[in-house]
Amino acid sequence: DTAVSQTPKYLVTQMGNDKSIKCEQNLGHDTMYWYKQDSKKFLKIMFSYNNKELIINETVPNRFSPKSPDKAHLNLHINSLELGDSAVYFCASSQARDEQYFGPGTRLTVT
Amino acid sequence: GEDVEQSLFLSVREGDSSVINCTYTDSSSTYLYWYKQEPGAGLQLLTYIFSNMDMKQDQRLTVLLNKKDKHLSLRIADTQTGDSAIYFCAESPQGSARQLTFGSGTQLTVLP
Repeated sequence: DTAVSQTPKYLVTQMGNDKSIKCEQNLGHDTMYWYKQDSKKFLKIMFSYNNKELIINETVPNRFSPKSPDKAHLNLHINSLELGDSAVYFCASSQARDEQYFGPGTRLTVT
Repeated sequence: GEDVEQSLFLSVREGDSSVINCTYTDSSSTYLYWYKQEPGAGLQLLTYIFSNMDMKQDQRLTVLLNKKDKHLSLRIADTQTGDSAIYFCAESPQGSARQLTFGSGTQLTVLP
């Protein structure tokens, strides 16, 4: 069984569009995260979220918003996509302060 | 601020040992991690070390931590071609949320 899954695996869209990436974890973890990996493979935290707090990296544009319908899901919604948003987005989850488990990534290409 | 640095590339011959180095700046880090990323895949946790430890060994992997110099290393013994991947070190500062700060990653290439 896949522990942390993301859909879609690939997403190609035009500038200005709004898109969402979904993440689900079946590990029973209470904290979920979104990371962005750029073309140079540099990984940066975007959000961490549990039922008590949402922590937003201050460098993340407000066009990006996490949405959590329940404890097992943390979706990433992006408004008005820009060329610079092209990257691989990784979802992760953890139980409290334990190690994080990563999803397979979603490669977003904005044309 | 937080900063984690790694060299970008490392090449070794199959059967040799690989040593991947990492330096960090946040002295409040409680855990330090090593993740492996194979091409087209997500990150896989390899091992981690708590900040009050100097060394941790797990089969072919040895992690050394020099807290005074804020230096972390990962040694892979008897490196195999399947070890070719990008290796990321990451630190986890104190705080309510475990927001990892990753290094730039080291691309390990194992030559036959």
